[in-house]
Amino acid sequence: QVNLLQSGAALVKPGASVKMSCKPSGYTFTDYIVHWVRQSHGKSLEWIGYINPYSGSTNYNEKFKTKATLSVDKSTKTAYMELSGLTSEDSAAYYCTRTGMNWYFDFWGPGTMVTVSS
Amino acid sequence: DIQMTQSPPSLSASLGDKVTITCQASQNIDKYLAWYQQKPGKAPRLLIRFTSTLESGTPSRFTGSGSGRDYSFSVSNVESEDIATYYCLQYVNLPSTFGAGTKLELK
Repeated sequence: QVNLLQSGAALVKPGASVKMSCKPSGYTFTDYIVHWVRQSHGKSLEWIGYINPYSGSTNYNEKFKTKATLSVDKSTKTAYMELSGLTSEDSAAYYCTRTGMNWYFDFWGPGTMVTVSS
Repeated sequence: DIQMTQSPPSLSASLGDKVTITCQASQNIDKYLAWYQQKPGKAPRLLIRFTSTLESGTPSRFTGSGSGRDYSFSVSNVESEDIATYYCLQYVNLPSTFGAGTKLELK
């Protein structure tokens, strides 16, 4: 069964960076693109960007181009997202999810909650 | 970017009711529309893809329809387990964009 395991909650100070992980299982890691989605408290969902684990190619939402950096480690079959220059507005749940040939998100991780506070 | 206008923001229903949610895209999205259910503290769950195709495990009381810019999602015979927030997603173009969500509550 498909599962996306995400790293635990993080409390970080303003101006700092945080790196979170997403480790899929139950399918071939390089066959599906990994996406990241943000959900601020009580708000809707925003697509951050994707990484192709096979090629390493990335595509970012213009809004997050200077905020997020996506990477993968093919040896450990893990995807990562690093967020930099954190402010209180970055406090949110961050989900990893995947797409296949069609671009709808089918399986999701449980989310990583990031709280930015001094 | 394609804007998705979802309405209503909230709905109050009794058990057994039928409810309908709509999403309007800012341009034609050629039926590349999905619907998700999200319960508090949980990740979204895919219910419907390509406007009307039920994902495996989605009860048949959930239906979707539409074309062009206008889409709708209905829940017939609302059950207590359907209490959640529902989102539409267009995936015809990047960036993929979601509607603002509709919170379904029990009357």
